[in-house]
Amino acid sequence: DVKVTQSSRYLVKRTGEKVFLECVQDMDHENMFWYRQDPGLGLRLIYFSYDVKMKEKGDIPEGYSVSREKKERFSLILESASTNQTSMYLCASSLIYPGTGTYEQYFGPGTRLTVT
Amino acid sequence: RKEVEQDPGPFNVPEGATVAFNCTYSNSASQSFFWYRQDCRKEPKLLMSVYSSGNEDGRFTAQLNRASQYISLLIRDSKLSDSATYLCVVNSNTGFQKLVFGTGTRLLVSP
Repeated sequence: DVKVTQSSRYLVKRTGEKVFLECVQDMDHENMFWYRQDPGLGLRLIYFSYDVKMKEKGDIPEGYSVSREKKERFSLILESASTNQTSMYLCASSLIYPGTGTYEQYFGPGTRLTVT
Repeated sequence: RKEVEQDPGPFNVPEGATVAFNCTYSNSASQSFFWYRQDCRKEPKLLMSVYSSGNEDGRFTAQLNRASQYISLLIRDSKLSDSATYLCVVNSNTGFQKLVFGTGTRLLVSP
């Protein structure tokens, strides 16, 4: 059973703090993703990584950075947290089904971050 | 225009009813389509992939209409446990697994 875990379910930080969100997957997946989910806007891709030390910007990378030093771990960093970064953050990793080209993204339980 | 559009609902239906959701997408080059289910305060989970020929999984049927660029999900014999938000998801066809999520359609099944 695929397991994606995130370091915290709830987090409260102050404006200007540096925030680290950790994500770990146990299925040896190559690809990992960070999204944020906001009411009325759905899930939006922040960053993704297709290999160790590789990263690509998603649709809304501003104010965020990522780190992938090990295959199983993908970290999201808010360099200087702001109130507009209050959101639900979801990490995902993906599996491609051989021979079909179809793939499934498995999500972690999410971290609800509040920046005050 | 959003890349993936869904009616947010909520759709309120009684147990046993049949309900259908549609979703439209704007990128005609998209190749992969999915329905994800998200329960309240939980993470999204894959419900089913959507294939060109249509596919069925128990009470759930998904259809793809490439000409009109829409995807549908039909749920037959609704159960209370089907209450959730259903997310329409399309790949962005950038050569990578970049998925674009709709904002979801909320379904409420009542006794």
